[in-house]
Amino acid sequence: NAGVMQNPRHLVRRRGQEARLRCSPMKGHSHVYWYRQLPEEGLKFMVYLQKENIIDESGMPKERFSAEFPKEGPSILRIQQVVRGDSAAYFCASSPWASKNEQFFGPGTRLTVL
Amino acid sequence: GENVEQHPSTLSVQEGDSAVIKCTYSDSASNYFPWYKQELGKRPQLIIDIRSNVGEKKDQRIAVTLNKTAKHFSLHITETQPEDSAVYFCAASIEYGNKLVFGAGTILRVKS
Repeated sequence: NAGVMQNPRHLVRRRGQEARLRCSPMKGHSHVYWYRQLPEEGLKFMVYLQKENIIDESGMPKERFSAEFPKEGPSILRIQQVVRGDSAAYFCASSPWASKNEQFFGPGTRLTVL
Repeated sequence: GENVEQHPSTLSVQEGDSAVIKCTYSDSASNYFPWYKQELGKRPQLIIDIRSNVGEKKDQRIAVTLNKTAKHFSLHITETQPEDSAVYFCAASIEYGNKLVFGAGTILRVKS
């Protein structure tokens, strides 16, 4: 059973470009969470999605950030017009069912904005 | 909203000694408390968790205790080994598919 997959593992963008981060949950998992980790800091919640639904986006910045989890395919975290402050590790986690809260993390995407 | 505080921020122990990391939370509705271990450049890995209907849980050298009245929970690692060196994060959440709120992390160094 493959774990949570994320790609790319490393992403370099120049200021003003767009970044697209992809997350494929573990097989059988229908809940996806995105977290951001700034250098030498803890993980901060961004958004929680189920298939075709955003359940909780209370941690998402109001502008430039969006997320989706379509019926088919991976979850996408999209950052438009990136700025240097967006440089961070972005982790997604998945869990199997709302009544089981264990979240298993992917390897992360390390975004560097030049 | 929930706030989780974690102490200490760094902890150095001698190999074979025990290590204890403590967390407090603010939202009395939280009832799920996982602990994650993160090695440098790697993903956070779930090492143990506890739910509010349990006061203590043990898995080999790792144990977690929970005091709901005082709103704090602790991670205990016995017989520490160099491979236990990592950053440890506590977290809290309301069960049923909710977000995790993480502490700031503890850097554990086990000296051989």
